[in-house]
Amino acid sequence: GNSVTQMEGPVTLSEEAFLTINCTYTATGYPSLFWYVQYPGEGLQLLLKATKADDKGSNKGFEATYRKETTSFHLEKGSVQVSDSAVYFCALRGGSEKLVFGKGTKLTVNP
Amino acid sequence: DTGVSQDPRHKITKRGQNVTFRCDPISEHNRLYWYRQTLGQGPEFLTYFQNEAQLEKSRLLSDRFSAERPKGSFSTLEIQRTEQGDSAMYLCASSQFGTTNTGELFFGEGSRLTVL
Repeated sequence: GNSVTQMEGPVTLSEEAFLTINCTYTATGYPSLFWYVQYPGEGLQLLLKATKADDKGSNKGFEATYRKETTSFHLEKGSVQVSDSAVYFCALRGGSEKLVFGKGTKLTVNP
Repeated sequence: DTGVSQDPRHKITKRGQNVTFRCDPISEHNRLYWYRQTLGQGPEFLTYFQNEAQLEKSRLLSDRFSAERPKGSFSTLEIQRTEQGDSAMYLCASSQFGTTNTGELFFGEGSRLTVL
């Protein structure tokens, strides 16, 4: 079945550091890929998405590129801020309408 | 519309009791999803509705779990004879499926269940 594996945390960075959170997937066909973020005390919200190979999703300075050859969708940001502290979830949607999530990576950014 | 709302936000119950959670989706959304999330894990799919029809159920959804969306608007998730293993955050999400489908799910803040 479909599955997502993402880098285990927690990840602790200083402000303005470069961020990478790795995500790889297993799926049949051509899934859509997503990154969701959960800020403290809030619900999950979509951060960015890509629906086909080589697409790049971007939002709020975050980027991720859909790499079919490596079945990856790594999340990157060039300069993190304290306000980026949250839990990040990689997810995919395959033939079914349901989203399959990774376990989440907790990011803490210190000033 | 302020988004997806869930009630109650936190429920503490004793083993063997029944509990019911309610979800009010974004009003124009025709799809509604239930997920369960335990500590340190990502959300796991339970079931989803399109309008009032329940289209898919996970094998995680044992016969003690039942979900309804009687009028295609709000939904309820009932757990009968709760067990300690049912302790989790129950998440509801909604989306609009159709010509403008973006695939994005809008999540509520969740209902946390603690079974003693």
